[in-house]
Amino acid sequence: NAGVTQTPKFQVLKTGQSMTLQCAQDMNHNSMYWYRQDPGMGLRLIYYSASEGTTDKGEVPNGYNVSRLNKREFSLRLESAAPSQTSVYFCASSERVGAPNQPQHFGDGTRLSIL
Amino acid sequence: QKEVEQNSGPLSVPEGAIASLNCTYSDRGSQSFFWYRQYSGKSPELIMFIYSNGDKEDGRFTAQLNKASQYVSLLIRDSQPSDSATYLCAVCLSSASKIIFGSGTRLSIRP
Repeated sequence: NAGVTQTPKFQVLKTGQSMTLQCAQDMNHNSMYWYRQDPGMGLRLIYYSASEGTTDKGEVPNGYNVSRLNKREFSLRLESAAPSQTSVYFCASSERVGAPNQPQHFGDGTRLSIL
Repeated sequence: QKEVEQNSGPLSVPEGAIASLNCTYSDRGSQSFFWYRQYSGKSPELIMFIYSNGDKEDGRFTAQLNKASQYVSLLIRDSQPSDSATYLCAVCLSSASKIIFGSGTRLSIRP
């Protein structure tokens, strides 16, 4: 009963390095999301994918790219990491965006530090 | 104006009392509303959702929605130390394109 699985759980990067955060869900959900959470800032939406084959920008997309590889997987890429991208990243999924009784299910998060 | 606003707290409530958490939103056409609980270092977990005006009760938790006032609240009765956490309000916008979270209210239940 895995739900939403994120890898890695922790990562330290140097400024300018690139990396991809992986997310997979086994609930057959249509929609997937990437959030970042900074102290006192709540969750801010980076990108989301309403359905397989589509992606859209959220509140804070600059510096990130995403790929909806298939229905299960949604990856987040940092092409050139910056210290301002130090944060906790959460992936989430839901049956579909906007359904009133369809909450999001979250992964355990990736704690990313950029030096 | 932020799309979803919450008082950051901390809100300190004695054990056994009622904790009242509030959230306001700016998009008048917002469709559905969620309350999540987040323990320190953990991921958010859903407590309740509501999409009709009025009250919705689930155990010790009651969600209240007033669309005219653009206000949603969460009441926790008989507060327990295990309720100490950050509570996040989330709103599905009228475009139904995305869900926006508030910054969260930190709740502390004192014995």
